[in-house]
Order: sequence, then structure tokens, then C-alpha cells
Amino acid sequence: SQQGEEDPQALSIQEGENATMNCSYKTSINNLQWYRQNSGRGLVHLILIRSNEREKHSGRLRVTLDTSKKSSSLLITASRAADTASYFCATVPRYGGSQGNLIFGKGTKLSVKP
Amino acid sequence: GAVVSQHPSRVICKSGTSVKIECRSLDFQATTMFWYRQFPKQSLMLMATSNEGSKATYEQGVEKDKFLINHASLTLSTLTVTSAHPEDSSFYICSARIGYQNTGELFFGEGSRLTVL
Repeated sequence: SQQGEEDPQALSIQEGENATMNCSYKTSINNLQWYRQNSGRGLVHLILIRSNEREKHSGRLRVTLDTSKKSSSLLITASRAADTASYFCATVPRYGGSQGNLIFGKGTKLSVKP
Repeated sequence: GAVVSQHPSRVICKSGTSVKIECRSLDFQATTMFWYRQFPKQSLMLMATSNEGSKATYEQGVEKDKFLINHASLTLSTLTVTSAHPEDSSFYICSARIGYQNTGELFFGEGSRLTVL
């Protein structure tokens, strides 16, 4: 079953601008992860944030987590055309779950125009 | 980083035939692998969890006799779509974790696009 929703579903920006994507989830989590998927390809892990963390950085990526609101955001700064892809948040439930499988949100399709 | 290889990347078959998709962890051992299905412009839906040496755990609504999963070794899991029909056409993706911890990142194969005519 789907854990949450990404917002927006689609985002189109110019190269150099920042892109912000939001994710909401429903159950208590162990951690939340963001993945990237180029069209017709597999997923690539971007960043993992644990439930006791509030913010994490990796290169041009900044992730925040608000467990009280059950939400997370992914910020990509100084976007590039190569950042064009779909971005998914995924959660590892704190309780239950099938041996630690990830539950994916619906994704945000980001288009960065040169 | 860890590499998961999935084969074939693309397959077209006639209705009624069976198709096998392989998922291999190339540089690590994976006691557990996950099989997802993705429809166009949609998210990933977990189909089943594949466990080495034991039966797979299927998600609700996934027919285990339709989607046969075998995890015979620590580096190979296979998904066989039996008696395929056009509605089985989809993008199938496998993933795995390194080691026995079950909360870390997943490493994904490149996916297999199945088209059933």
C-alpha cells in the first residue's frame, strides 16, 4: 500500500533554480529515504534521514524531516538539466512491514530546462 | 557501491507464455530481495519479499501462483510470470540490501520492461 503523497506531482523549473519536493507519510517510521529514477530505469538512493534527525545535507541536496507532521522535504539547489528525473520518498515503518521493505510515495516528476 | 543486475531489461512475449526475470547481487550477498512492479507514471508497488532458502512472502492481492519467486542462492532471485497476459505488461524492478540489517538503503536493478502481446 502507498505510504504517502509527494507534492507536487510535477515540477518544471529553469536550470540554476532550486527545486523543492514534499512528502507526507502516515505511520511511525524508522527512517525516510529519497530516491531518484530516470525514465525507464531503476532507482538510485540519494539520502537517508533517521526518525531522530531533523535535517541532513548531501552535496546539493538538503532533506528535512518533521515527524510531528509526518512530512519531509527534499531541496535540490542550483538545479541542472541532468537533475531531470522522478523523485520518490520511501519510508521504513517502525513497526511491522515486510522485513524492512520500503513503502514508496507517488513521486514528483522534476523537469529542469536548460 | 553495491550493484544489482537485472536481466532481461526488456522482453516481449506472446500471451500464455512464461517469462523469467533474474535479479543478481554482483558484489554482495543478499538474504532478502524485494520485487516491485511499476505502472506508467506511477509509484512502485511491492509485490513480494524474496528470502534465500525459503518461500517468498507475497503482498495482499499478488497471486503467488502467477508470480513465482525463487531465491536459490545469496546472490540470485528470479521472478517468473506464468501464463502471461497483456495486463501483466509492466515494469518490474528488484532490489536488495547489504547484510542482515533491514532498515538501510536499497540497491535497485535497472528494471525489466515486460510487454505481453
